[in-house]
This record gives sequence, C-alpha cells and structure tokens, in this order.
Amino acid sequence: AQTVTQSQPEMSVQEAETVTLSCTYDTSESNYYLFWYKQPPSRQMILVIRQEAYKQQNATENRFSVNFQKAAKSFSLKISDSQLGDTAMYFCAFMKQWDNDMRFGAGTRLTVKP
Amino acid sequence: EAQVTQNPRYLITVTGKKLTVTCSQNMNHEYMSWYRQDPGLGLRQIYYSMNVEVTDKGDVPEGYKVSRKEKRNFPLILESPSPNQTSLYFCASGLMGQTNTEAFFGQGTRLTVV
Repeated sequence: AQTVTQSQPEMSVQEAETVTLSCTYDTSESNYYLFWYKQPPSRQMILVIRQEAYKQQNATENRFSVNFQKAAKSFSLKISDSQLGDTAMYFCAFMKQWDNDMRFGAGTRLTVKP
Repeated sequence: EAQVTQNPRYLITVTGKKLTVTCSQNMNHEYMSWYRQDPGLGLRQIYYSMNVEVTDKGDVPEGYKVSRKEKRNFPLILESPSPNQTSLYFCASGLMGQTNTEAFFGQGTRLTVV
C-alpha cells in the first residue's frame, strides 16, 4: 500500500518570504500523480498543484512550485513571496494512474506572520 | 457551476441516533468517495463507489454504510453513531480511468457525536 509522510506538523514564515513544505511517499508504482491541497479555515479542499510522475519537469503555479525527486520519492512544495492568505493546512496526496484512490499525508499547518 | 454539495455542514447528534450525510455532484462523475479527517491522521478513505450500485470499503469503513442508487448521489449513513465518529467528513468525486484526473471535494461536514 502507498503511504504519504509529511514530517512537519507545523511551520511558520514571515510574509513575503519563501517556505518549503516536505512530503515523502512510498510506492512500487511507476506511474502516478502527486498533489498538494490547501485547506484554509473555511475547510474547503483546494488543489494547489499537481505533478505527473512521468514528467521530469517540476510543476509550477504562480508562487507555488514543487521539487519532485522520483528516485528519492520526495515531493516538496515551495511557496514564494508568502502571503497572509497562504495560512492554511497543506496536504500532500498520492494517486496511482488509472486509480481514483487518493492517499493523504497527515498535513502541515502553515502560518504566515505579518 | 461544477460542484460537490454536502449537507449538513455542521451536525451535533447523540450516540446511537441514526444519521445521514448527503453528497451530490453535478459533473457526471463515475467515482465518488467519502473521507474522514482527524488531527494528525490526514484524510482517510471510508468508502468509495466506481459507479451506480458499485461500492467498496476504504481504509476505515467500520460503523458506516453507503449507497449509490443514482450517479449524482452518494450518501453516508451512520446507523448507530458513536463518539469516536466525531470528525470532519469530506465527499469527493472524479472521473474514472482518466489521465490528469483530480478529486473534487465538497465543503465538509463537521460531525460531533455526544
């Protein structure tokens, strides 16, 4: 079974600075997807960024980028120019290709300080 | 607007009183699932459904039931709720067997069993 580990329960960053959230996963699959979801206090699950395992290029969405290391099974999220609205719980998730079963990490609570 | 709708958003109930949390999606998705979110554990899958009348257990199915009589609806039933089912619940939907798929989440249901 696939497992996802987020080793940082809580993190904080000053506004406008950069922060990196860590995620590692364990799988024997070669084709899969990785996701970062943001959960603000409203509880809504918002997709931040997605990475296809077959793509070597790291995904980027505006201020959000990932460092995908397939051999190391690592998938970290970098948030640049942090904003107060980035304060949220962040979940890393894994999904096998052709399978809708999504596995989540325990989450990292990020606080952006003014 | 494409969305997954859960009701109610908040629910406080007593031990043993049967309850149903509804979930409906308007995207014609085949796949639907239920998760529970607990501190330090992330989201864990309760049940999932790959199509009408097709349901299966996830990682934590004990104490829950589901049904999938229509494609758009996937209610979660707690026949005899207990305090350890106090949690935040999410319904999600997605396309089956598609690349580049993602999960679309409802707004969450905060359930408290006293």
